[in-house]
Amino acid sequence: NAGVTQTPKFQVLKTGQSMTLQCAQDMNHEYMSWYRQDPGMGLRLIHYSVGAGITDQGEVPNGYNVSRSTTEDFPLRLLSAAPSQTSVYFCASSSPSQRGGHNEQFFGPGTRLTVL
Amino acid sequence: SQQGEEDPQALSIQEGENATMNCSYKTSINNLQWYRQNSGRGLVHLILIRSNEREKHSGRLRVTLDTSKKSSSLLITASRAADTASYFCATRNQAGTALIFGKGTTLSVSS
Repeated sequence: NAGVTQTPKFQVLKTGQSMTLQCAQDMNHEYMSWYRQDPGMGLRLIHYSVGAGITDQGEVPNGYNVSRSTTEDFPLRLLSAAPSQTSVYFCASSSPSQRGGHNEQFFGPGTRLTVL
Repeated sequence: SQQGEEDPQALSIQEGENATMNCSYKTSINNLQWYRQNSGRGLVHLILIRSNEREKHSGRLRVTLDTSKKSSSLLITASRAADTASYFCATRNQAGTALIFGKGTTLSVSS
């Protein structure tokens, strides 16, 4: 199993450009999430999905769009990049626990994005 | 706002010493999880403690949970240089549909 994969690993954009960060998992997990990590801020939840066709906003959704057409893929779109979106982006997946809540979450290696 | 908050923000110890970090959270939980992040990499799951458990062990890790105080602690015994990393606690969001993380504790273990 490859686990959670993310592409690209690094990206530099100019202000106003758009792009898509790719995320895929091969563990048949229902739950997938996108986080951004900034120095001193920990991980903040951008968007998440509890299954194919179902997405919802997290703590910091503005400027980002997601869709979940398959169980495996959960791309994150930056609509018009801004310098404030310079960050490290992590995708993660997990399955629901039979006892309620989430089982352990598996993370991708991250995408380092710089917006000039 | 973030659900969990770790304390302290940073911790420096010598090899062989124990490291304790704390997490406070705001809403009800099914379980609480701890993760480790080595510099620049993705997070790795360490341990999960359920809301009806008070203590759990895994190797040199000991986690406690006090649901009445909405707090948890992670103890790493006999620390090694390889334990140098950031540690995060995670709990569910209010809707129970995603995990949210605190800001983390940065642990530095020197030899």
